[in-house]
Amino acid sequence: EPEVTQTPSHQVTQMGQEVILRCVPISNHLYFYWYRQILGQKVEFLVSFYNNEISEKSEIFDDQFSVERPDGSNFTLKIRSTKLEDSAMYFCASSEGVGLTNEAFFGQGTRLTVV
Amino acid sequence: GQNIDQPTEMTATEGAIVQINCTYQTSGFNGLFWYQQHAGEAPTFLSYNVLDGLEEKGRFSSFLSRSKGYSYLLLKELQMKDSASYLCAVGLSYNTDKLIFGTGTRLQVFP
Repeated sequence: EPEVTQTPSHQVTQMGQEVILRCVPISNHLYFYWYRQILGQKVEFLVSFYNNEISEKSEIFDDQFSVERPDGSNFTLKIRSTKLEDSAMYFCASSEGVGLTNEAFFGQGTRLTVV
Repeated sequence: GQNIDQPTEMTATEGAIVQINCTYQTSGFNGLFWYQQHAGEAPTFLSYNVLDGLEEKGRFSSFLSRSKGYSYLLLKELQMKDSASYLCAVGLSYNTDKLIFGTGTRLQVFP
């Protein structure tokens, strides 16, 4: 069964450092997303990406965040200068389309710990 | 603002039926989703409702009333492995399908 894969599964970084979280969406999917979940809290939307550009972003997704699809398979989330409050589980998701085909498949997540 | 409410915790016994309710008030609506999330794992898709009524999928059913801003997830013949968090989420935008999640309902199934 096709799945969304994320690497690394865990990342520990020092405050102020840059991190890049990587995702390989399902190959025929066109819509890509990043969500995060702070421990014990709800899943929060960060950004959606379609046709090689950001289609929507949340208030959380400030100038420290960026996304990129550097090639035909990878989808990355970069945090330029990490803060302690960026510690969370980051989920990548992808969907084939919108409307009735818009079941979003989530990756297993990257647990980011900022120390 | 976006508001999605669901109970924080529920308990049930193996073999029983449980109903998890969700109410929502959102600026847009492009469907209501239920996801299952085991601790430390990714959310996995359970169901999607965009029209009023009941959608049945094996042991799981989901109901939607758009006029009431209300949905429920019904789990039948509960098994121990159903112990997980159940996340209610609203798709907000037709163009992007971003999901706004509720805080989730942690279900514990006891033998």
